[in-house]
Amino acid sequence: ETGVTQSPTHLIKTRGQQVTLRCSSQSGHNTVSWYQQALGQGPQFIFQYYREEENGRGNFPPRFSGLQFPNYSSELNVNALELDDSALYLCASRGDRNTDTQYFGPGTRLTVL
Amino acid sequence: AQKVTQAQTEISVVEKEDVTLDCVYETRDTTYYLFWYKQPPSGELVFLIRRNSFDEQNEISGRYSWNFQKSTSSFNFTITASQVVDSAVYFCALSGKTNAGKSTFGDGTTLTVKP
Repeated sequence: ETGVTQSPTHLIKTRGQQVTLRCSSQSGHNTVSWYQQALGQGPQFIFQYYREEENGRGNFPPRFSGLQFPNYSSELNVNALELDDSALYLCASRGDRNTDTQYFGPGTRLTVL
Repeated sequence: AQKVTQAQTEISVVEKEDVTLDCVYETRDTTYYLFWYKQPPSGELVFLIRRNSFDEQNEISGRYSWNFQKSTSSFNFTITASQVVDSAVYFCALSGKTNAGKSTFGDGTTLTVKP
């Protein structure tokens, strides 16, 4: 058990809709990263939040956005869903943004029809 | 730019065999971190090991061992006396010193251990 939880476990949406995925980090972990893992591929970095501010972003369009809250929870929002957004979305938290190992949650499986 | 290559897409072994998973990386950072994760069918990425670039000592943990060779930019993972429970997808990942949360992952190696 990593102490990182995500909800929901599975989600089905249709193209054009918006979705919010949630993550609860380990207590004391002020850094959270989000990853997208398409089927058969490794996770790809979306962005990272440190103390409620975006602190690094991968090659994802602005319709991917996030929020981090003081209670160690965070959200990933995706607008105007596309079929290619279907993937496993993973969040990972860690205590120090530069040096600590990050620990992953179980992921949310998003299917866009 | 960083890159991680896991050339072995799938490996199948019989229980009790030893198996080595290869990982080759590219980075311009002089200080970096390397990781191995295990992903069982449930989907959660399970952290196995982190290695700092300035520490080239090999490491053994039970049936697991890791061989880090900076000269060849490789960080290989060996499972000794494999077991059916070792069946999973294994990922090698790399991150720079200044942003350890932005990891670059390989595409993974699917290991199947048959009884």
